[in-house]
Amino acid sequence: KQEVTQIPAALSVPEGENLVLNCSFTDSAIYNLQWFRQDPGKGLTSLLLIQSSQREQTSGRLNASLDKSSGRSTLYIAASQPGDSATYLCAVPNFGNEKLTFGTGTRLTIIP
Amino acid sequence: GAGVSQTPSNKVTEKGKYVELRCDPISGHTALYWYRQSLGQGPEFLIYFQGTGAADDSGLPNDRFFAVRPEGSVSTLKIQRTERGDSAVYLCASSSTGSISDTQYFGPGTRLTVL
Repeated sequence: KQEVTQIPAALSVPEGENLVLNCSFTDSAIYNLQWFRQDPGKGLTSLLLIQSSQREQTSGRLNASLDKSSGRSTLYIAASQPGDSATYLCAVPNFGNEKLTFGTGTRLTIIP
Repeated sequence: GAGVSQTPSNKVTEKGKYVELRCDPISGHTALYWYRQSLGQGPEFLIYFQGTGAADDSGLPNDRFFAVRPEGSVSTLKIQRTERGDSAVYLCASSSTGSISDTQYFGPGTRLTVL
């Protein structure tokens, strides 16, 4: 059974700093990995989807990397802004079906 | 519609009551998913529809939970004899074809509180 872990559970950094969020998974036979953002009381917004054949995927100030063999992904946020404050979740789909297994998330606070 | 919508946004009920939660997926999306998110946790899969049929209901916790999608668009999650442990945010998502490479688009969720 796939298990997805995100450490730390919470992170606070001053505005303007670069930061890295971590995601690890136990079964390396993944098809892709997705990073989501969740604002309080809101649903999930997809940020980046990185295919298993890719090493990196970039969107604006966000960069996601994937190392299947070690079971790890990172989300790099450059030049952080207060608007980046949210919970960030990673998720992987199961082979054979499309349901996503999520990590528990990292609650990010950017301090102005 | 422009995105996935869910109604109601909040539902408070008493233990033992019956509730229905509604999901309107993105128009034309054939795949629809229900997830449940408890406080401080990531969403957990409940059920997946491909068209009108439930392709995978392995995440439903017990037979008090049931979901339908009779016309292949709107879906309703039904919970009978609610228990306090059912309190959570229920999220719905849809994707274009249900392919493993498709992005799932999530609605804002329904926060269910069972008193």
